[in-house]
Amino acid sequence: ETGVTQTPRHLVMGMTNKKSLKCEQHLGHNAMYWYKQSAKKPLELMFVYNFKEQTENNSVPSRFSPECPNSSHLFLHLHTLQPEDSALYLCASSQDNRGGTDTQYFGPGTRLTVL
Amino acid sequence: GDSVTQMEGPVTLSEEAFLTINCTYTATGYPSLFWYVQYPGEGLQLLLKATKADDKGSNKGFEATYRKETTSFHLEKGSVQVSDSAVYFCALTLPSSNTGKLIFGQGTTLQVKP
Repeated sequence: ETGVTQTPRHLVMGMTNKKSLKCEQHLGHNAMYWYKQSAKKPLELMFVYNFKEQTENNSVPSRFSPECPNSSHLFLHLHTLQPEDSALYLCASSQDNRGGTDTQYFGPGTRLTVL
Repeated sequence: GDSVTQMEGPVTLSEEAFLTINCTYTATGYPSLFWYVQYPGEGLQLLLKATKADDKGSNKGFEATYRKETTSFHLEKGSVQVSDSAVYFCALTLPSSNTGKLIFGQGTTLQVKP
């Protein structure tokens, strides 16, 4: 595997379910990100991790819970979601997230549908 | 606050036509500017970037010049192909950021017809 991979690619869940999204980067990067892409809205940053430490939580509801066990893996745990949480969830990584010049590399995303 | 504004889409062009997608930004300080492209069913890929005023980013025939005086980073290509059909996102990060947060425009859909 190369680059940034995400599983599953598609997920349908009910509002009472608990599920997790997984992201893995094979680039040796130190920073990882979760973004949400909703229809007709700009991409929104959700969380940032740098060297496994969370450095940003962009006012995300607690029904989304991130986990970063090491610099290569990032999870997004989902519980008690709402239909408006249906979106494409994108993971990204970069070598370093200080200074703002580093390129972020994106995975293909998980298309989430909440019924 | 810091923001990016892109021209409304969709943009529909014939093959070999000239492409311009406008992007302007509002930011404190001197941001780095990016164009990302998203092909159907895929994640975002970096197309090009510029990190300081008057820099020109280029890749795959696409170009954009960082214009501080007009706070713009317009994307251009001289001759588009059907394979360029995708959604294009303009984005910025701030040098003061300690998180590398990308701020995106709303995206512009490009459709190129044979």
